[in-house]
Amino acid sequence: KAGVTQTPRYLIKTRGQQVTLSCSPISGHRSVSWYQQTPGQGLQFLFEYFSETQRNKGNFPGRFSGRQFSNSRSEMNVSTLELGDSALYLCASSLAGGGADEQYFGPGTRLTVT
Amino acid sequence: GIQVEQSPPDLILQEGANSTLRCNFSDSVNNLQWFHQNPWGQLINLFYIPSGTKQNGRLSATTVATERYSLLYISSSQTTDSGVYFCAADPNTGNQFYFGTGTSLTVIP
Repeated sequence: KAGVTQTPRYLIKTRGQQVTLSCSPISGHRSVSWYQQTPGQGLQFLFEYFSETQRNKGNFPGRFSGRQFSNSRSEMNVSTLELGDSALYLCASSLAGGGADEQYFGPGTRLTVT
Repeated sequence: GIQVEQSPPDLILQEGANSTLRCNFSDSVNNLQWFHQNPWGQLINLFYIPSGTKQNGRLSATTVATERYSLLYISSSQTTDSGVYFCAADPNTGNQFYFGTGTSLTVIP
């Protein structure tokens, strides 16, 4: 069974631009969560989607948004990029979420904002 | 949210040595997992262990949920064990992991 995939793997953007990252969960998994990893703040939760609905959101500004499609694939969007948005963005999938499922992470997208 | 603390922050071992990594969490949890982050950034699942003990080869883990801690044991360490180990806990607030700051392990030959 294929694992969680994320595209693109690397991305360089300019301050003020916007970016869209994609995550395809493991087949059969319906929950997708997104995390940001930076050297200063560590791993922080962005949001979680299940059946096309955002169920939970972390403490990030509104410039960070996401969505989930009917096939459970998810995208996250960051608008008006800032230098501090440079980070590794990881997504995780699980069967149904709700906290009790084992989560599996993708390889991440490394975003650099210049 | 809950606080997740890992210790030690850094660990240097000779190849063949054993080690114990600790994860303390400040509230009851629905899910606790241990991960190894590879050099490219991917989090590799080691254990899904909200309670009890599990073993997988040279690695084992124990979570004592009532005392709010988990331990990861690495025996006969190898250079390929080097990297950062994270524990992550979900207090059932909606599939949201709270991560510790990690233990950076270096195994020298």
